[in-house]
Amino acid sequence: EAGVTQFPSHSVIEKGQTVTLRCDPISGHDNLYWYRRVMGKEIKFLLHFVKESKQDESGMPNNRFLAERTGGTYSTLKVQPAELEDSGVYFCASSQESGSIYEQYFGPGTRLTVT
Amino acid sequence: RKEVEQDPGPFNVPEGATVAFNCTYSNSASQSFFWYRQDCRKEPKLLMSVYSSGNEDGRFTAQLNRASQYISLLIRDSKLSDSATYLCVARSGGYNKLIFGAGTRLAVHP
Repeated sequence: EAGVTQFPSHSVIEKGQTVTLRCDPISGHDNLYWYRRVMGKEIKFLLHFVKESKQDESGMPNNRFLAERTGGTYSTLKVQPAELEDSGVYFCASSQESGSIYEQYFGPGTRLTVT
Repeated sequence: RKEVEQDPGPFNVPEGATVAFNCTYSNSASQSFFWYRQDCRKEPKLLMSVYSSGNEDGRFTAQLNRASQYISLLIRDSKLSDSATYLCVARSGGYNKLIFGAGTRLAVHP
């Protein structure tokens, strides 16, 4: 079974530009999550989709970040305009309901560098 | 205060040693707990879920003490391949979001 995939693996952009990250969850997983790790910090939650609906977006840093999951399959995370502090590794994870445990499986991440 | 706190290490141990990691969490409403393993520049990989009764998977044993809000991971007979960062993770009560600790580094040497 294919795992969570993310594209691109790396992105280097200039401040003020736009970048769109993509995540394909494990097939059949209705829950999709975005997380971010900035340098020297722990991994932080950004938002959670259940199918195409945003269940929790409490971790989104500001309105420069826009996440979508049209059709409830893959998701995109757009940063517009990018700022230097947006640099970090963006992870996507997915899960299916499994009792009350909700084990989440992570993709390889997109390393974003804003210069 | 961070929601999930871990000793950052590093823990440097010889092959074959037993090593234990501890973790505390501050939100008593947290519902589920996990240990993830993360290799350098890779994604977190789920190592094991942590149950109230404690659970074991081969050389790995996890324990949860809800009264003390404390989680542990014991690794027996350490292998070189166990070298990694171990992340203590809580699932936020009522939501699915995961709260990560900063991780504990383990280095197993010959």
